[in-house]
Formats: sequence, structure tokens, C-alpha cells
Amino acid sequence: DQQVKQNSPSLSVQEGRISILNCDYTNSMFDYFLWYKKYPAEGPTFLISISSIKDKNEDGRFTVFLNKSAKHLSLHIVPSQPGDSAVYFCAASAGTYKYIFGTGTRLKVLA
Amino acid sequence: DTEVTQTPKHLVMGMTNKKSLKCEQHMGHRAMYWYKQKAKKPPELMFVYSYEKLSINESVPSRFSPECPNSSLLNLHLHALQPEDSALYLCASSQGRGQTEAFFGQGTRLTVV
Repeated sequence: DQQVKQNSPSLSVQEGRISILNCDYTNSMFDYFLWYKKYPAEGPTFLISISSIKDKNEDGRFTVFLNKSAKHLSLHIVPSQPGDSAVYFCAASAGTYKYIFGTGTRLKVLA
Repeated sequence: DTEVTQTPKHLVMGMTNKKSLKCEQHMGHRAMYWYKQKAKKPPELMFVYSYEKLSINESVPSRFSPECPNSSLLNLHLHALQPEDSALYLCASSQGRGQTEAFFGQGTRLTVV
């Protein structure tokens, strides 16, 4: 049972444009959501998070939006840069030590 | 400083070997984790230590044995592994549970031959 899903395995975007990565979840108990960036053979790097009491959180070029009624969150990267090319994982937590990860979206930013 | 340090970076071991993976953090985090990641898959939780006590074991086979000697260190002892155990093993830490981030190490790429 995949509680956190990223339905787009890959995404290509032109440099300077907006990248939008999507994530859906099924467990209504999740109250904290995170986005991680991962390069091959490296550990995930934390990017940004959002609590379920908010609907938006912004940090520089990265903005995360949360729509609780739709059980959907998205990560916006503006402007996209070639160095952003990586696999992006969303993750969710329900107040426990368990972080449940989505299947990942490979972002390629074209120069 | 959000650094979690894992050693070794790469490890090749035979199915009869005993080896250990090591993880260290100096952020004062009280929760430490082991995750396993196979190619093109998300990280999967194996173990969680909270305040140096094993809090979660996700039904991991006994050939994997975790140890938390102190609040900064986490080990994963490996014995009699199978080739299908080859994966990237990730250590992480967080301040606690709930609404907090987990920070990951660079991982150990394990190959079982």
C-alpha cells in the first residue's frame, strides 16, 4: 500500500522556467510533509517542509503548497537551474518517527 | 551543521563475512535511523533509535543488527547477508518525532557477493 505517491516518474524543464513536482497521499493522519533532493549514490538532502496547519511555505526558489482536502502537495522551483537536476522525493510523517517516502520524480533542467 | 557522517562509503562483502556500518551525528539529535534504498525505489525504513533505545524495527531480518552506543553514534552490524541485500544504506537523524526534519548521511553502497 503506497501511502505517498509521485505519479510522474520524470520531468524535463527549460532553464529559467518553473518546475512543478507533485505528490499525493492517502493517509489523513499525515501532518508534516517534506521534500528531499537526491543525487545518484548519495543520501537525500532536505529541501523544505510544511506543516498541515499551513498551505504554503517558501524558502528562496523553493515553495511547497499543501492542499489537505485533495491530499496533494506540490513543490515549485523558480527559476529552475541545471544544478536542480536530481531525483526529488516527497515524504510524510504522522507524528511518529516514520517518514514515508514517495517513489520519486527525476527532474532534468535543460540548459 | 546538519551533517550526518557514514563510513565506509563503499563496502563489498561475502555472504559469510561480518561487517559493520557506522554513522555519526553531532547535532544533538535524539533520534537516529537506518534506511535501505534499492535502485529506482524510495528509501525504506529499517530501524529507529530514540534516546539510544530501539524504538522501531520494521521486521528486518536478524542478519541486520543495529546498535546505538551513545546519542551520537549508530552502527549496523551485518552477518550472513544475501546478494539481494545489496543496496544503499542510509543513516539519518532528527531532533525527535513529529514535525521535524530528518537529515541523511551520504550512504554506504553495499555489495554482497
